[in-house]
Amino acid sequence: DTAVSQTPKYLVTQMGNDKSIKCEQNLGHDTMYWYKQDSKKFLKIMFSYNNKELIINETVPNRFSPKSPDKAHLNLHINSLELGDSAVYFCASSQDRQGGTQYFGPGTRLTVL
Amino acid sequence: DAKTTQPPSMDCAEGRAANLPCNHSTISGNEYVYWYRQIHSQGPQYIIHGLKNNETNEMASLIITEDRKSSTLILPHATLRDTAVYYCIVRVNYGGSQGNLIFGKGTKLSVKP
Repeated sequence: DTAVSQTPKYLVTQMGNDKSIKCEQNLGHDTMYWYKQDSKKFLKIMFSYNNKELIINETVPNRFSPKSPDKAHLNLHINSLELGDSAVYFCASSQDRQGGTQYFGPGTRLTVL
Repeated sequence: DAKTTQPPSMDCAEGRAANLPCNHSTISGNEYVYWYRQIHSQGPQYIIHGLKNNETNEMASLIITEDRKSSTLILPHATLRDTAVYYCIVRVNYGGSQGNLIFGKGTKLSVKP
């Protein structure tokens, strides 16, 4: 059974479009995260939600909007996609908001043309 | 910025122990040392963490020097599947932005037959 799953695995789209990436965890964790890994392979946190409440928002453009319908899901919606948004996006979860031990999903490779 | 320094790359023969060093000379008393790895095209994977004492689990051992300014991750019998980028991270065990996992460039470990 997949602990943290993301869909889609690959996403290719045109500049200016709006797209969503979905994430689900079946670990019963309270806290979920979104990370971005750019072309230089740096992995940076974007957002964190604890029990559907936003607890981390790391200076991400407001074109990015996370949504947590319940504590098992954290979706990422991106408006007006730009070339610089091309990256691999990873979802993760942790048991609680202390968050040292995080379980990552397989990633979504987003390519903006 | 990452608070750790790691060699950019290392090689290890299959079946041998892989010893991955990490310097964290500015570590604070309440900061833990965490190790994650990222196998190519996959999400990061938690390995182990510690505060002062040496730690061992089914994946690896973590040796932290007495002054806590450096540590070594030991994979006792490296296999080809251990080829990955290994990240050493120091963080406080708080939730929120204070406890962000900040990934640096890591060490690319290549296990060779």
